[in-house]
Amino acid sequence: QKEVEQNSGPLSVPEGAIASLNCTYSDRGSQSFFWYRQYSGKSPELIMFIYSNGDKEDGRFTAQLNKASQYVSLLIRDSQPSDSATYLCAVKRDNAGNMLTFGGGTRLMVKP
Amino acid sequence: DGGITQSPKYLFRKEGQNVTLSCEQNLNHDAMYWYRQDPGQGLRLIYYSQIVNDFQKGDIAEGYSVSREKKESFPLTVTSAQKNPTAFYLCASGRTGRGPGNTIYFGEGSWLTVV
Repeated sequence: QKEVEQNSGPLSVPEGAIASLNCTYSDRGSQSFFWYRQYSGKSPELIMFIYSNGDKEDGRFTAQLNKASQYVSLLIRDSQPSDSATYLCAVKRDNAGNMLTFGGGTRLMVKP
Repeated sequence: DGGITQSPKYLFRKEGQNVTLSCEQNLNHDAMYWYRQDPGQGLRLIYYSQIVNDFQKGDIAEGYSVSREKKESFPLTVTSAQKNPTAFYLCASGRTGRGPGNTIYFGEGSWLTVV
């Protein structure tokens, strides 16, 4: 079992819809969770992080964390074609400094 | 500009050659990392360094070497022992410490192709 798992996709949604990206993790000691966006041929860029159970909103993005079920998700409201990218979930244990474990990423395609 | 600079962006290596990828950061971060990404795949950790003159192997260190003589610099050498080096190489840096939001930030990456 991989430590951090994501469906590789592609996840296809129409423009204006909500895109829902999911990530599960195996280490119950994980404390912080990060979402990165990676455009094709580019490096990952941080979108947001979450460390408390519940929802955290930042503009069109909402991260959701459920530690009991060991999953974290990213919702993108009003999806735009410019959101088409691969989304990487990363997990860290605070007692490991800032060592992150990455999932394989989910490719999102937003169709006009 | 503050950031992480990788060079070169594109590099071609002949069989049996060693090549070195440069990574420099001016963010005053203590920790630096090298990741490898193969097409359509996630990131795999090659080496990391939390402090000057110290570094640790990641998950796929074989065939690679690093040095950390300065806080700002963390070059990666891809040696001839690395049999399948064609990939996208990402350097990252971040603060050390236990803050929940502490994370890492990436340079623009270097594409290495074996010819």
